[in-house]
Amino acid sequence: GAVVSQHPSWVICKSGTSVKIECRSLDFQATTMFWYRQFPKQSLMLMATSNEGSKATYEQGVEKDKFLINHASLTLSTLTVTSAHPEDSSFYICSASSSGQGDYGYTFGSGTRLTVV
Amino acid sequence: GNSVTQMEGPVTLSEEAFLTINCTYTATGYPSLFWYVQYPGEGLQLLLKATKADDKGSNKGFEATYRKETTSFHLEKGSVQVSDSAVYFCALHNFGNEKLTFGTGTRLTIIP
Repeated sequence: GAVVSQHPSWVICKSGTSVKIECRSLDFQATTMFWYRQFPKQSLMLMATSNEGSKATYEQGVEKDKFLINHASLTLSTLTVTSAHPEDSSFYICSASSSGQGDYGYTFGSGTRLTVV
Repeated sequence: GNSVTQMEGPVTLSEEAFLTINCTYTATGYPSLFWYVQYPGEGLQLLLKATKADDKGSNKGFEATYRKETTSFHLEKGSVQVSDSAVYFCALHNFGNEKLTFGTGTRLTIIP
């Protein structure tokens, strides 16, 4: 079945530094990728939607200059948290979708736990 | 717009108990409906789905039936196991809109 690889699975960084999270579709071409943020014991909050080769569409309230999303190929999207601060600590999850999967099937990565100290 | 209302948790059951997690939705047209499961520290996994009215999705002993008349997609399992402890998310997708709309999630704990 469809597999999405997300890494790192966890990362600790110092305040003010940038962190890059990768999301790869291993066995299908992901025309669309989604980035979510999840706070403890809460649901997923969609941050942005990206289509290969075009700029990401950010949800209201999400700072596009802080959360840089690149979707340069049909198998790779990256989320860079720039100048991270402790309030950016969270669980980030990517999801990939391909119209070729039918029913707009969504496959999720295993998530990245970011801790900013 | 689309919305999903999901049973508030947490839910704690004994092993072999019957499980129901309620999910109702609001959407235009004919959405596809999903249940996802999230185990501790992991991403989401698709548990089951249904794409049209009266369809029943099933997997690993879990079932949910797409009820258009009641706009519901309740998750059921006849006999839960400790390994079913996780957070369960109901979600919908409408054709023409790329995004999934999630419920708030229900944390399920099964005690031996």
